[in-house]
Amino acid sequence: DADVTQTPRNRITKTGKRIMLECSQTKGHDRMYWYRQDPGLGLRLIYYSFDVKDINKGEISDGYSVSRQAQAKFSLSLESAIPNQTALYFCATSDLEGAHYNEQFFGPGTRLTVL
Amino acid sequence: AQSVTQLGSHVSVSEGALVLLRCNYSSSVPPYLFWYVQYPNQGLQLLLKYTTGATLVKGINGFEAEFKKSETSFHLTKPSAHMSDAAEYFCAAPRGPKGYQKVTFGTGTKLQVIP
Repeated sequence: DADVTQTPRNRITKTGKRIMLECSQTKGHDRMYWYRQDPGLGLRLIYYSFDVKDINKGEISDGYSVSRQAQAKFSLSLESAIPNQTALYFCATSDLEGAHYNEQFFGPGTRLTVL
Repeated sequence: AQSVTQLGSHVSVSEGALVLLRCNYSSSVPPYLFWYVQYPNQGLQLLLKYTTGATLVKGINGFEAEFKKSETSFHLTKPSAHMSDAAEYFCAAPRGPKGYQKVTFGTGTKLQVIP
């Protein structure tokens, strides 16, 4: 079974609709992240969370909100979707083991299209 | 702030040829650096990472990267390309306090392997 799962994998919606993307992990990590990927722009951080009581905005948080329901679950919401939010969205996890920066583990992604 | 620059959004090589993907970083502080790979329709996964110590880092699938402080580079190489290497590659560097384990990703390089 995958360690980081995302639902749905694909979603087509209309402008103005509310959308929730969900992420679950079984890795036991406390750091979780939401990114969006656009061609030629790489991955950009939307929100990140240290634990259920710690939510932080990333570089492109406008138009998005998140909820950390439990250590293992981190949801991303688009309150009123707009076409320029069409992108590939990734959830990732990490931990703070040791003195180094550690790798992030990614889900398979959600392809969102806003018409 | 740490940032990374990937030169070349698309690279094409023949099967069996050398793969060279370029990454330069900006920082006055010795960094941690990562290379991630994204295969079609998948999330990112770690190829290799540099922390401290040996400047030549070996990763999975025959890839390696050399940390060159004098050139502020961390280029990714593989002696002989295989069809299965076709993917998008991202260089990444940490940013912010170590507690959050955040990284900045480069804009990515798509590798095409020609039979």
